[in-house]
Amino acid sequence: DGGITQSPKYLFRKEGQNVTLSCEQNLNHDAMYWYRQDPGQGLRLIYYSQIVNDFQKGDIAEGYSVSREKKESFPLTVTSAQKNPTAFYLCASRFKRGSTDTQYFGPGTRLTVL
Amino acid sequence: AQSVTQLGSHVSVSEGALVLLRCNYSSSVPPYLFWYVQYPNQGLQLLLKYTTGATLVKGINGFEAEFKKSETSFHLTKPSAHMSDAAEYFCAVSDRGGGSQGNLIFGKGTKLSVKP
Repeated sequence: DGGITQSPKYLFRKEGQNVTLSCEQNLNHDAMYWYRQDPGQGLRLIYYSQIVNDFQKGDIAEGYSVSREKKESFPLTVTSAQKNPTAFYLCASRFKRGSTDTQYFGPGTRLTVL
Repeated sequence: AQSVTQLGSHVSVSEGALVLLRCNYSSSVPPYLFWYVQYPNQGLQLLLKYTTGATLVKGINGFEAEFKKSETSFHLTKPSAHMSDAAEYFCAVSDRGGGSQGNLIFGKGTKLSVKP
């Protein structure tokens, strides 16, 4: 069954700790994305990767880091430098063929900083 | 630069009534346009999309949207609301072309409530 999985669904972190959010896809998509969602603000792009071993900063990359060592995996690390990390984090992958160009989303991880 | 404006952060309709969620976009190139739906504590699910061809696009769950270039709009409609339609809806725009990054710009979302 193809799709995007994110784990864990809920994550609690103490201030000053780094935490890594998992995103895995078995859709064979090349591109993957991380978004942050805050109430009333829509989705904002953190990082994206068009291909393995390459990634670019999005609009709000400060305090976050990523890696793309495998096509299937795009983990996001929320570092202690992120001043307000409590949010809902969504991972997506992109299917592109001809005029078809669509992002598909995982179920999300809700991060709460205590 | 591209942008998306969703008019109305909250919309409330009665069950069986018309649903109309408004989306206007700004883009310097012909856009790809999307509507996504999000249920509480879940990811986004694609409702429908416009890329090329027919400007009236039909999606899942009885929703449709019409791309109007002259009005730079892509409003989402459903003739008869159902209780299960209560969710948050996001409009998004992407640049097109083989070299595009495919990055999406999202509106701030519209929460739809359906009254019995």
